Amino acid sequence: KNEVEQSPQNLTAQEGEFITINCSYSVGISALHWLQQHPGGGIVSLFMLSSGKKKHGRLIATINIQEKHSSLHITASHPRDSAVYICAVLAGKSTFGDGTTLTVKP
Amino acid sequence: SAVISQKPSRDICQRGTSLTIQCQVDSQVTMMFWYRQQPGQSLTLIATANQGSEATYESGFVIDKFPISRPNLTFSTLTVSNMSPEDSSIYLCSVASSGVGAPQHFGDGTRLSIL
Repeated sequence: KNEVEQSPQNLTAQEGEFITINCSYSVGISALHWLQQHPGGGIVSLFMLSSGKKKHGRLIATINIQEKHSSLHITASHPRDSAVYICAVLAGKSTFGDGTTLTVKP
Repeated sequence: SAVISQKPSRDICQRGTSLTIQCQVDSQVTMMFWYRQQPGQSLTLIATANQGSEATYESGFVIDKFPISRPNLTFSTLTVSNMSPEDSSIYLCSVASSGVGAPQHFGDGTRLSIL
């Protein structure tokens, strides 16, 4: 069993829809990273959080340390949000989820 | 945040050859990492590049196959040696400052295809 589980694996949405991507982990962590990877391969760090909630533009990330669970929300989704979203937990070193492939259709 | 320049961005190589990937950071960083991302899979840590000493390799990765250099706090190279089609992947450089839970920043990756 992977230490970091993401769901769903693939997600297709219509432009404007509210998106939720989930991440569950089984180890104690110091922080959790949400990353975005575009088709070219480059990775952008969206959030790093160790408690509570963070918001940046249309993106919101939450984490519940007791339940070992985090969610990434995208409000008013847009086709340019289409990418792979990766959850990574920091516990000494980083462990990555398998990613969620999001496609937002116009 | 650190700006990372990774070269080349992509390459197509012949079986049995070697390729060296460069990672340049615009500021001094404590931690530099090399990752591999095979098609359809998530990132796997190859090694931690240590400044002035040998890299620390993860299980399944060896120095003879993936020699790493880190001559200073802003630069590192990863060589993929004696390549085979199974080495076709995206290779990513990542950096982090010291401290527990320090955020990581990633380069744009090198997309490598082996014929």
